[in-house]
Amino acid sequence: IAGITQAPTSQILAAGRRMTLRCTQDMRHNAMYWYRQDLGLGLRLIHYSNTAGTTGKGEVPDGYSVSRANTDDFPLTLASAVPSQTSVYFCASSDVEGTQQFFGPGTRLTVL
Amino acid sequence: QKEVEQDPGPLSVPEGAIVSLNCTYSNSAFQYFMWYRQYSRKGPELLMYTYSSGNKEDGRFTAQVDKSSKYISLFIRDSQPSDSATYLCAMSSGGSNYKLTFGKGTLLTVNP
Repeated sequence: IAGITQAPTSQILAAGRRMTLRCTQDMRHNAMYWYRQDLGLGLRLIHYSNTAGTTGKGEVPDGYSVSRANTDDFPLTLASAVPSQTSVYFCASSDVEGTQQFFGPGTRLTVL
Repeated sequence: QKEVEQDPGPLSVPEGAIVSLNCTYSNSAFQYFMWYRQYSRKGPELLMYTYSSGNKEDGRFTAQVDKSSKYISLFIRDSQPSDSATYLCAMSSGGSNYKLTFGKGTLLTVNP
């Protein structure tokens, strides 16, 4: 049982570079989410998708984009990375009726 | 006033102690309440899930929700060193809105 997988596990990136964080779930959940977690700020929602083909903005969407071409995959793209995007990124998913979200193991991103 | 308030701790207790973790909230529309456990450098793991007011028990863990006071608690009985982690409360209004609002987490250390 894999649940949610994220790749890469960690990455060091030069400022200005483009980066895509990958997220795949095998639970057939309709909803998926991207969060960033920073010390003292907790988990903050970046973007979400309630179902394949739709996306929405969360609390801190600037500098990030997402797509949801199918149920299983929800990639997060940083078009031009900046040092303030240094963080730990978590992908999560939930089913249609519940609000119980299940999290992936995270991607630790450092932008220099 | 923040939507969800959680004392960040840190909280340090001896093994075998009863631990009480708490969150307060301001949004009366919240009706789904969750507790997540997050070990260092890992993703959050769903620990308890409660709908509306009342108690829910699972082994050594008990979740309480008091909607009239806008106050939720997580009790850990016979605490173990393996319970050492950050505990995050989360809540949602449910329905078509799947988004969770998280507390910032309480760091718990159980000393052997």
